[in-house]
Amino acid sequence: EAQVTQNPRYLITVTGKKLTVTCSQNMNHEYMSWYRQDPGLGLRQIYYSMNVEVTDKGDVPEGYKVSRKEKRNFPLILESPSPNQTSLYFCASSSSFGTYSNQPQHFGDGTRLSIL
Amino acid sequence: ILNVEQSPQSLHVQEGDSTNFTCSFPSSNFYALHWYRWETAKSPEALFVMTLNGDEKKKGRISATLNTKEGYSYLYIKGSQPEDSATYLCASGNAGNNRKLIWGLGTSLAVNP
Repeated sequence: EAQVTQNPRYLITVTGKKLTVTCSQNMNHEYMSWYRQDPGLGLRQIYYSMNVEVTDKGDVPEGYKVSRKEKRNFPLILESPSPNQTSLYFCASSSSFGTYSNQPQHFGDGTRLSIL
Repeated sequence: ILNVEQSPQSLHVQEGDSTNFTCSFPSSNFYALHWYRWETAKSPEALFVMTLNGDEKKKGRISATLNTKEGYSYLYIKGSQPEDSATYLCASGNAGNNRKLIWGLGTSLAVNP
């Protein structure tokens, strides 16, 4: 089954404790992206990756890191989480994104992070 | 328009009603318009991706139209059912350098049985 898998689905942690949210897709997609969703603000892009070893900042990259060492995986790293990073996070992937965003995005089930 | 705007913000209809809502997007350098359905406690699911002016797409009781010259798209639901209750998101992609989508805030649809 074609899917984007995120882990964990829920996490409650404390300020400053490094955490990683994993994202894996089995569709051989070139493009992967991380979003956060906050009430009243809609989906905001954190980072995206056009392919292996190619990553770039989205609209709200501060406080986050990513890596793309393999095509299927795109982990989101919070080196020193703070309460303002409490949010619902989605990973998404799509194919052929180099043709200017005309491919549908496939989303993971989301990760709800609470930073105390 | 620099952002993607959706209206109305929320909508309540009775089962069997037909409904529609609007997505307005930047018309300059337009490349693609996406519609997604986002049910509570699930992830957004792609409905349509449209690129051509005048394009019309249909999936069951849901259809969408696109006007790239004036920068708007309509999503129609015919004979709404309770299972259509969801937030409907649109996102616009342009032919600029960013290769990313600009997302609207969504229209929340509630269909009462």
